[in-house]
Amino acid sequence: DADVTQTPRNRITKTGKRIMLECSQTKGHDRMYWYRQDPGLGLRLIYYSFDVKDINKGEISDGYSVSRQAQAKFSLSLESAIPNQTALYFCATSDLKGKLFFGEGSRLTVL
Amino acid sequence: AQKITQTQPGMFVQEKEAVTLDCTYDTSDPSYGLFWYKQPSSGEMIFLIYQGSYDQQNATEGRYSLNFQKARKSANLVISASQLGDSAMYFCAMREGGRAAGNKLTFGGGTRVLVKP
Repeated sequence: DADVTQTPRNRITKTGKRIMLECSQTKGHDRMYWYRQDPGLGLRLIYYSFDVKDINKGEISDGYSVSRQAQAKFSLSLESAIPNQTALYFCATSDLKGKLFFGEGSRLTVL
Repeated sequence: AQKITQTQPGMFVQEKEAVTLDCTYDTSDPSYGLFWYKQPSSGEMIFLIYQGSYDQQNATEGRYSLNFQKARKSANLVISASQLGDSAMYFCAMREGGRAAGNKLTFGGGTRVLVKP
């Protein structure tokens, strides 16, 4: 089983719908991240959390919200999806040595 | 200003030859880390190599090495003896601050490598 698991892996939805992407990890790490990838732009940080009570906005947080339900779970929500949120979303964790562990990605298409 | 710049959008390399992927960065923080990730067509992000700003020697991991030129703010990835399985997108990324600052990475736009048999 993967150390960082994302669900769903693929999702097609319509403009205005609420979408939640879930992430769970078995690494025991306190630090978790949500990144978004658009073609040609690399990955950009949406939100990050250093522990259950610590959540911070990243570079592109507008239109997104997160919830850290437990050390192992970090979910990303789009309250009202729009087409320019079509992208590949990655959840990641990191340990104190600095290495990031990525999930397999969630491909979201907003029509 | 771009914090991470990868100037090569795509390149071809002959199998068994070496290839250098360019990465330049911009930061005023004396403590930072540089990462390279590989993203094959399947989409997952695979960690390749890490270089800390205070590391005295260039990082190496198997066929991967990082040519770290601090004064020039460059961190080029060298892949030796290319294999067909090296065909992928490659991303350079930077963490500003020490490891305790957390891995809020800034990524470059990536370089697509295609290895020819």
